[in-house]
Amino acid sequence: KAGVTQTPRYLIKTRGQQVTLSCSPISGHRSVSWYQQTPGQGLQFLFEYFSETQRNKGNFPGRFSGRQFSNSRSEMNVSTLELGDSALYLCASSPRGEGGGPLSYGYTFGSGTRLTVV
Amino acid sequence: LAKTTQPISMDSYEGQEVNITCSHNNIATNDYITWYQQFPSQGPRFIIQGYKTKVTNEVASLFIPADRKSSTLSLPRVSLSDTAVYYCLVGDGSGYSTLTFGKGTMLLVSP
Repeated sequence: KAGVTQTPRYLIKTRGQQVTLSCSPISGHRSVSWYQQTPGQGLQFLFEYFSETQRNKGNFPGRFSGRQFSNSRSEMNVSTLELGDSALYLCASSPRGEGGGPLSYGYTFGSGTRLTVV
Repeated sequence: LAKTTQPISMDSYEGQEVNITCSHNNIATNDYITWYQQFPSQGPRFIIQGYKTKVTNEVASLFIPADRKSSTLSLPRVSLSDTAVYYCLVGDGSGYSTLTFGKGTMLLVSP
């Protein structure tokens, strides 16, 4: 089966601009999570969506937002980009259901979008 | 979610067995232990998960002592392609909790 697809793979933006990243989860997965990975902070959780609703959010400023569509595809948006937003942004899909569920359900990650802010 | 402690890095040679130990002293009764592997510029990949004793799959083994305050990921006969960062995660996923990654262990396999 197809894995998690993230587009674009690479992106270069200028400070102050905004950016939108896309994620298509594994077919049938309704839970989509986003993570930011930087050399200094490692992997950090941004937010999780389920059935078009954000049900968990990490400790990031309001410039980071996301949404999920009825087909479970998800987008995340970063407005007013800062140099520190340069990172690998990873999307993960999971078969976890409406009530959450054990981590044993597993997460499948995409290859990420490498964002560089100049 | 329980905090985990792993070695920052480890070195090995091809063909050797590698054991990476993770400490999780405040693991809760319902917590599972999960290991992920990550190659550069790729997302983490699920390796193995366990609750107690020993779990084995085609890739690795996971040893969990009776007190569950630590766990050991064992990679048999590593190859150069096993060079990666390995993350130990602990949690039960109750409600809407999410994966919490630590710094991981950078494993370097040399010829």
